[in-house]
Amino acid sequence: DQQVKQNSPSLSVQEGRISILNCDYTNSMFDYFLWYKKYPAEGPTFLISISSIKDKNEDGRFTVFLNKSAKHLSLHIVPSQPGDSAVYFCAALTYTSGTYKYIFGTGTRLKVLA
Amino acid sequence: NAGVTQTPKFQVLKTGQSMTLQCAQDMNHNSMYWYRQDPGMGLRLIYYSASEGTTDKGEVPNGYNVSRLNKREFSLRLESAAPSQTSVYFCASSGRQGGEQYFGPGTRLTVT
Repeated sequence: DQQVKQNSPSLSVQEGRISILNCDYTNSMFDYFLWYKKYPAEGPTFLISISSIKDKNEDGRFTVFLNKSAKHLSLHIVPSQPGDSAVYFCAALTYTSGTYKYIFGTGTRLKVLA
Repeated sequence: NAGVTQTPKFQVLKTGQSMTLQCAQDMNHNSMYWYRQDPGMGLRLIYYSASEGTTDKGEVPNGYNVSRLNKREFSLRLESAAPSQTSVYFCASSGRQGGEQYFGPGTRLTVT
């Protein structure tokens, strides 16, 4: 049973416009949420995170919003650039039985069109 | 500062063969992880090591073993490879439990 879901496998956006990537989760005990970006033939790289006690975190062109009542988070990229074309994974962090565990979504492939 | 390195980058095995995937990090991180990535499945945790000397099973540990050789190195062993283990394997490390992870470039493994 997928606890972290990214329901859109792909997204295309025009350069300069906003990209919005979505992620839904089922477990209200998650402590942190993270976004990773992955280029082909490379490992994922950390992008931005948000604590479960916040509803927004911003870093340059990237903003993550958390809606706890809806169990939904989103990553906004403004303005989108061709170099942002990659697969984006959301991940949730939980602490259970004395251990931190990360649960990843299936990813959304973003294509930014020049 | 190379970050997280993995060897080999590519490997083809026949069913039943064994191999070890190597991972090393130079960031003095305590925690290390092994994931596999399959199409449409995201990243699934195989094993992890919260600190030197400890290892624990993740979501999909069957068919794998791990060794935390020292603080830097965390290896993943396939004793008898099966076609279902065809995947891309990523090693990651984290400076603290719960912190963001740093990933290696991956090993693409094909089992025929």
